Amino acid sequence: GAVVSQHPSWVICKSGTSVKIECRSLDFQATTMFWYRQFPKQSLMLMATSNEGSKATYEQGVEKDKFLINHASLTLSTLTVTSAHPEDSSFYICSASGGHPNTEAFFGQGTRLTVV
Amino acid sequence: SQQGEEDPQALSIQEGENATMNCSYKTSINNLQWYRQNSGRGLVHLILIRSNEREKHSGRLRVTLDTSKKSSSLLITASRAADTASYFCATRSGNTPLVFGKGTRLSVIA
Repeated sequence: GAVVSQHPSWVICKSGTSVKIECRSLDFQATTMFWYRQFPKQSLMLMATSNEGSKATYEQGVEKDKFLINHASLTLSTLTVTSAHPEDSSFYICSASGGHPNTEAFFGQGTRLTVV
Repeated sequence: SQQGEEDPQALSIQEGENATMNCSYKTSINNLQWYRQNSGRGLVHLILIRSNEREKHSGRLRVTLDTSKKSSSLLITASRAADTASYFCATRSGNTPLVFGKGTRLSVIA
């Protein structure tokens, strides 16, 4: 199956700093990528849909100025958590699919963010 | 927003037993997918069942879909300790992103 690579797998940062997470589709072109957030023992909550060459679409309640998404190419989307706070500590996962509704989605390995 | 609701939330069984997890959803869908997640890791795709399909098999996995009841089930037969993980159903409608259920935490005791 297709491979989606997410980096870093974990990061610890200080409050007030920014952290960038990268999501790459290694062997296919992803016009659309999705960013999810997962708190411990909970499900994945969609944060935003990242479209190549255009602005991301954010879910209700997700601050676009805090979670900056850039999808500059067909193989790379980045999520930047700006001015991080301890409550931003979470597991962030990206996903990409081939575009057709009846195809599986491929997920990155996830990034464990801890803000201290 | 979440669409799927899995039950049970947690399931503990002995190795060799079968494990059944259920998922209900609210709106019409193109397909329903089941994923597995080991603790603190990414998601692994298990099986995709389309809205016009009723049952699908993959190895020890069997998935059913009842669109009239808006529900699906995942059966893992002859479970192994290595099957211990969280299992999520996720639905897709048109070109919308996957919407995940709350998940079932499965523990298989050796």
